[in-house]
Amino acid sequence: EVQLLESGGGLVQPGGSLRLSCEASGFTFSNSAMSWVRQAPGRRLEWVSGISSGGGDTPYADSVKGRFTISRDNSKNTLYLQMNSLRAEDTAVYYCAKKVAGAAPFDYWGQGTLVTVSS
Amino acid sequence: EIEMTQSPATLSVSPGERATLSCRASQSVSSNLAWYQQKPGQGPRLLIYGASTRATGIPARFSGSGSGTEFTLTISSLQSEDFAVYYCQQYNNWPPSTFGQGTKVDIK
Repeated sequence: EVQLLESGGGLVQPGGSLRLSCEASGFTFSNSAMSWVRQAPGRRLEWVSGISSGGGDTPYADSVKGRFTISRDNSKNTLYLQMNSLRAEDTAVYYCAKKVAGAAPFDYWGQGTLVTVSS
Repeated sequence: EIEMTQSPATLSVSPGERATLSCRASQSVSSNLAWYQQKPGQGPRLLIYGASTRATGIPARFSGSGSGTEFTLTISSLQSEDFAVYYCQQYNNWPPSTFGQGTKVDIK
């Protein structure tokens, strides 16, 4: 059974940092492209960043470029999202999601972790 | 960036009835369109990809159609577990992949 378990969310002040993690199991993590997708309260899903299976390709949404960094450790079956210079508009539930390749749907999602940016 | 627009925002349906949800893309996405179901407190679940192919384990009452800019998700006979929010997503022009604003299917 495929499982994606996010952690690391919480309350942070504007300008602060957080690191999200996503532990994967039930599939060959090192063969799968992964992404982070977020959902602000009452808003649509928004793709944040993706990473290829080997980690060499890491696109970002314009809204987070230069502030967020995606990475992965295939030896630990774990995906990460380092979030710096956080803003109120980054408040959202963050999901990690798996896909087979670059231009493909997300076939499995985690349950999400809530990030709240507020003073 | 391709904009995805879903209609209606809310669809009130009685159990056993048919539900038809629409999704429009601001430019052609070929057949690179997926549908997801999301229930409160859960991550989305892939229902349909390639505009019309059901994902693993998805019941036959869910069907998708369309290509280019106009797409439809049909639930032939609504079951109690189908009341949820449904999102469409284009993955033709990636990155970024973009989502519609969602259609909430609730009990009439």
